[in-house]
Amino acid sequence: EVQLVQSGAEVKKPGATVKISCKVSGYTFSDYYIHWVQQAPGKGLEWMGLVDPEDGETKYAEKFQGRVTITADTSRDTAYMELSSLRSEDTAIYFCATGSKYWGQGTLVTVSS
Amino acid sequence: DVVMTQSPLSLPVTLGQPASISCRSSQSLVYSDGNTYLNWFQQRPGQSPRRLIYKVSNRDSGVPDRFSGSGSGTDFTLKISRVEAEDVGIYYCMQGTHWWTFGQGTKVEIK
Repeated sequence: EVQLVQSGAEVKKPGATVKISCKVSGYTFSDYYIHWVQQAPGKGLEWMGLVDPEDGETKYAEKFQGRVTITADTSRDTAYMELSSLRSEDTAIYFCATGSKYWGQGTLVTVSS
Repeated sequence: DVVMTQSPLSLPVTLGQPASISCRSSQSLVYSDGNTYLNWFQQRPGQSPRRLIYKVSNRDSGVPDRFSGSGSGTDFTLKISRVEAEDVGIYYCMQGTHWWTFGQGTKVEIK
């Protein structure tokens, strides 16, 4: 059974950096891209970017370019999403997903002073 | 960037009646391999998105057959043949041909 398990909720101050993990199981980690998606409270889904675990190559959405870093650790079957220079508008649930079918449970990030 | 436009954004439906959601893309979603990577998701409150349909018209395992997808090129439709109470939620189309882009979402509620 494919599972993506994300790290727990975070509370951060404006200007800080958050790093969320996504541990996968049930398939070969390097076979599929890992995507990250943001969902602000009461809002829709917004794609942030992806990593190819096989070679570490990344692609980022223009909106997040320069602030987001997505990585993959094949020794841990885990992907990470780091978002820097946090502001209140970054308060959201962040999902990892693979193959578009399998999604993590989501991680709530709250940015507040 | 590809823009996905859904309509309507709110869809009140009567139990047992059909429902239909439209999704249009700003450019063709036909990939170089000949496939069209247009998916439909359901999201219930407090849950992760659940994929219902992939590559325009293929139902995921466990998805009731009252859900169906159709379309081609830039115009796509999700239909629910007879709405049930458990279908309440927000539905998103998503293109996976040019990286990922989601539609704005359509809120389905019972009248």
